[in-house]
Amino acid sequence: RKEVEQDPGPFNVPEGATVAFNCTYSNSASQSFFWYRQDCRKEPKLLMSVYSSGNEDGRFTAQLNRASQYISLLIRDSKLSDSATYLCVAPNTGNQFYFGTGTSLTVIP
Amino acid sequence: NAGVTQTPKFRILKIGQSMTLQCTQDMNHNYMYWYRQDPGMGLKLIYYSVGAGITDKGEVPNGYNVSRSTTEDFPLRLELAAPSQTSVYFCASSSDGATNEKLFFGSGTQLSVL
Repeated sequence: RKEVEQDPGPFNVPEGATVAFNCTYSNSASQSFFWYRQDCRKEPKLLMSVYSSGNEDGRFTAQLNRASQYISLLIRDSKLSDSATYLCVAPNTGNQFYFGTGTSLTVIP
Repeated sequence: NAGVTQTPKFRILKIGQSMTLQCTQDMNHNYMYWYRQDPGMGLKLIYYSVGAGITDKGEVPNGYNVSRSTTEDFPLRLELAAPSQTSVYFCASSSDGATNEKLFFGSGTQLSVL
């Protein structure tokens, strides 16, 4: 089983739509999780951190379900500029960050 | 504030050649990482370091070597380049490891082995 698994998509949604991505992780000891955004093979950039049940930042909401070992990212009122690949990251207890394969989002005018 | 700096940005190698990818950070971070990203895939950890003089293997270390003589620098060495090493390489650093700290990334090196 992979450390982190994501639905690769692609997700194609119209502007203004709400879209959600899920990510499952295998290490039950992981304490914190991250969503990174990556544009066109550029370096990933941190979007949100998730340390407890959830975190909200404007149009973006990240939620953590420890019992089911998954985290989700919800984007409301999608903008064209949200088009990117979203990477789920789960650390292990050995100082390693494990990345999912990424979920591709295209917001259509 | 430069953050994490990687050089070169692009490189083409012939099979069997060697090269070093340079990575330096000016944030005094203890933890540094090298990842590779193949098309349509996530990032795979090659090697990481928790401090000067300490390195450890990640998920895909074969064909690579690293060193960490200073806190700032973490070069990645390819000794005998192979086509399977064609990828985008990212160096990253963090202050306190994977528990609750985010990663700071360099801008990446696009490497092609022909």
